[in-house]
Amino acid sequence: DTEVTQTPKHLVMGMTNKKSLKCEQHMGHRAMYWYKQKAKKPPELMFVYSYEKLSINESVPSRFSPECPNSSLLNLHLHALQPEDSALYLCASSRSGLAGEAGELFFGEGSRLTVL
Amino acid sequence: QQQVKQSPQSLIVQKGGISIINCAYENTAFDYFPWYQQFPGKGPALLIAIRPDVSEKKEGRFTISFNKSAKQFSLHIMDSQPGDSATYFCAASRSGTYKYIFGTGTRLKVLA
Repeated sequence: DTEVTQTPKHLVMGMTNKKSLKCEQHMGHRAMYWYKQKAKKPPELMFVYSYEKLSINESVPSRFSPECPNSSLLNLHLHALQPEDSALYLCASSRSGLAGEAGELFFGEGSRLTVL
Repeated sequence: QQQVKQSPQSLIVQKGGISIINCAYENTAFDYFPWYQQFPGKGPALLIAIRPDVSEKKEGRFTISFNKSAKQFSLHIMDSQPGDSATYFCAASRSGTYKYIFGTGTRLKVLA
């Protein structure tokens, strides 16, 4: 079983809704990631938090807003999404923090988002 | 230079056969090469990884072969089983960055 837990597993939302995806890990990892994965494609990096500070934002539209309340939790706030944002959103964590190395990524099972 | 090219896109193998997936990269600064396995509806999971100081790494039925001069690495699955049917992604990463460059993925189907 994965040690990165994501909720909800499935989410359907309209373009005017506000929703949030949540991710939790208790492995003591200091880096946490959000990836987006479209069908039959590899994961695409969205954000990286290192020691609870935003380290990387891959030019993601502002309708996606990440938040890292503490070292174990990562949220992704969603607002005014478009149908093309429908995808599997994966959270991941890795032990490395300060060194800036991804190291081994531990992925959650993902949140399947559908935007109507 | 940041791309990792993966082939084949899909692969069908008989049970007990050998599955081979290849990846090629251009950036010689990459120094960590993992393979991830992803089942439908699940997140990717690390299968095996290698660093450029070794040419081969084996874990059970899974072997990575690494050719530094050719800038290529491959995954060999020996005695392939139907339970190995999944999508496999190679990736490359460089020290000092959080970024993985993923290959495009290979959908493996092992026939019973």
